[in-house]
Amino acid sequence: DAGITQSPRHKVTETGTPVTLRCHQTENHRYMYWYRQDPGHGLRLIHYSYGVKDTDKGEVSDGYSVSRSKTEDFLLTLESATSSQTSVYFCATREDLAYEQYFGPGTRLTVT
Amino acid sequence: RKEVEQDPGPFNVPEGATVAFNCTYSNSASQSFFWYRQDCRKEPKLLMSVYSSGNEDGRFTAQLNRASQYISLLIRDSKLSDSATYLCVPRPSGYALNFGKGTSLLVTP
Repeated sequence: DAGITQSPRHKVTETGTPVTLRCHQTENHRYMYWYRQDPGHGLRLIHYSYGVKDTDKGEVSDGYSVSRSKTEDFLLTLESATSSQTSVYFCATREDLAYEQYFGPGTRLTVT
Repeated sequence: RKEVEQDPGPFNVPEGATVAFNCTYSNSASQSFFWYRQDCRKEPKLLMSVYSSGNEDGRFTAQLNRASQYISLLIRDSKLSDSATYLCVPRPSGYALNFGKGTSLLVTP
């Protein structure tokens, strides 16, 4: 398994506050992804990165921004958290020339 | 139309049984697929990659039927620890994988 960690693992925050989730990988994988998973839904892509400073939107990107200033870190920011962003957030990585993705342990975010 | 369709289940099987899931896909150009498993409240983990006609890894066998456009996953001698959701994912044409809701398996004593 790729060495992928996420922090924090659990967070409770209030509506309207900014929140940043961190994904850190030690595998030097080029691609990194942020997904959210909610009951009754599969994994939905929020944003992804195809290299340092190269990012693009996924299907549910509204209300989220990302940054990737170095290969090993991919940050997801909720600019002003809303209750609809209560979810489990997974980070994933994949290496170049491959399609398999490897996931971090997830962050459980509750917005009250 | 969804890229892949899976029976959500749940499939309830006794320990030691053989169980099979099918996954149908719509894009006839799909070259390969992945099976992931996801335990409750955990991250998805890659179980198997299916690149040609199939793949086998211990008790798990995946087969790709291009003519009928489905992929199957067969689990022999089911263990309690096999209880999970199994996700069939086609290799993407772009950067991101497209995950559905998967098939839920519950293995009972």
